[in-house]
Amino acid sequence: KAGVTQTPRYLIKTRGQQVTLSCSPISGHRSVSWYQQTPGQGLQFLFEYFSETQRNKGNFPGRFSGRQFSNSRSEMNVSTLELGDSALYLCASSLGWQTYEQYFGPGTRLTVT
Amino acid sequence: AQSVTQLGSHVSVSEGALVLLRCNYSSSVPPYLFWYVQYPNQGLQLLLKYTTGATLVKGINGFEAEFKKSETSFHLTKPSAHMSDAAEYFCAVMGNSGNTPLVFGKGTRLSVIA
Repeated sequence: KAGVTQTPRYLIKTRGQQVTLSCSPISGHRSVSWYQQTPGQGLQFLFEYFSETQRNKGNFPGRFSGRQFSNSRSEMNVSTLELGDSALYLCASSLGWQTYEQYFGPGTRLTVT
Repeated sequence: AQSVTQLGSHVSVSEGALVLLRCNYSSSVPPYLFWYVQYPNQGLQLLLKYTTGATLVKGINGFEAEFKKSETSFHLTKPSAHMSDAAEYFCAVMGNSGNTPLVFGKGTRLSVIA
């Protein structure tokens, strides 16, 4: 069974631009969570989607948004990029909401210049 | 609110020596506890988890961890370190309803010296 896939793997953007990252969960998994990883702040939860509905949201500004499609694939969008948004963005999938075992993708490395 | 503290941002051991990575948690409810490993330029891989039942849990690659409620700890151990164990290790906590997000510690980088 294929694992969690994230595209693109690497991305370079300029301040003020927007970016969309994509995540395809493991087949059969219906819940997708997003995390931001930076050297300073570590791993921080962004949001979780289940059945196309956002179930949990972390403490990030409204520039960070996401959505989930009927096939469970998820996208996250960051608008008006700032230098501090440079990070590794990790997506994790699990079977469903209230299932605790999460499987992580390789991440998308975003660099904002 | 839940939190995780990992003692030591960097641990260095000799090949064949005991690996001990420390994790203490804070949670108002009995938590689920996890250890993840991250190799360079990769995502996180689940090593082991504690939910309920036996407090000593065994994971992949010879790792194990013991949940000690009285000490609010979940330390990760491996009897004999291998060069391939060099990586970043993260301890994480989740509320036992399963519907709260993972809260991660800052991570511990393990170096293995030949």
